[in-house]
Amino acid sequence: DTGVSQNPRHKITKRGQNVTFRCDPISEHNRLYWYRQTLGQGPEFLTYFQNEAQLEKSRLLSDRFSAERPKGSFSTLEIQRTEQGDSAMYLCASSRAPRGYGYTFGSGTRLTVV
Amino acid sequence: AQTVTQSQPEMSVQEAETVTLSCTYDTSESDYYLFWYKQPPSRQMILVIRQEAYKQQNATENRFSVNFQKAAKSFSLKISDSQLGDAAMYFCAYEGAQGGSEKLVFGKGTKLTVNP
Repeated sequence: DTGVSQNPRHKITKRGQNVTFRCDPISEHNRLYWYRQTLGQGPEFLTYFQNEAQLEKSRLLSDRFSAERPKGSFSTLEIQRTEQGDSAMYLCASSRAPRGYGYTFGSGTRLTVV
Repeated sequence: AQTVTQSQPEMSVQEAETVTLSCTYDTSESDYYLFWYKQPPSRQMILVIRQEAYKQQNATENRFSVNFQKAAKSFSLKISDSQLGDAAMYFCAYEGAQGGSEKLVFGKGTKLTVNP
């Protein structure tokens, strides 16, 4: 069990640029989640995959956000035309079926939009 | 939609003492799971303890225990014999057990300071 890996750890980008983050879940976990966390707040759900199928997207996930999980392995989260309000910690987590066992979180990618 | 409320933005405790963090939630579901997560500064979130709503018995994990009051929709975390390493943000989270949305819903967190 190597844990959930997220890259990069930190990303500074200029407003208007596109950014992509990667998450490698625990290999046996078929579920993968993306959350966003701003300072002083709890994680907010963005989207969820079961294997390669994206099963739910939050209303927080505007058209500028897209997530993929090809082949049900790693996942990418892309933000197009970044805005200052996108500055946050982006957390990835994975879990195995069934529900109720909690998630294993990665260390997150901290995005700063300047 | 389910909501989770943590009414204590910050708490402090003396080393070796006991502290209780509060959490309430709102749901119309009868079966669900509740969790407490710990997030140390600049480190990843880790699961502290979980509770299955259909179980009456309160969960315990070493120095960590919960007081689960299903009727009151309350789920507090008690940390006994507090240690300096317990200092962190603590998040309460809810997950429905059947149907509906499959995701954890988090509270805003409680920052715990442990004083030597």
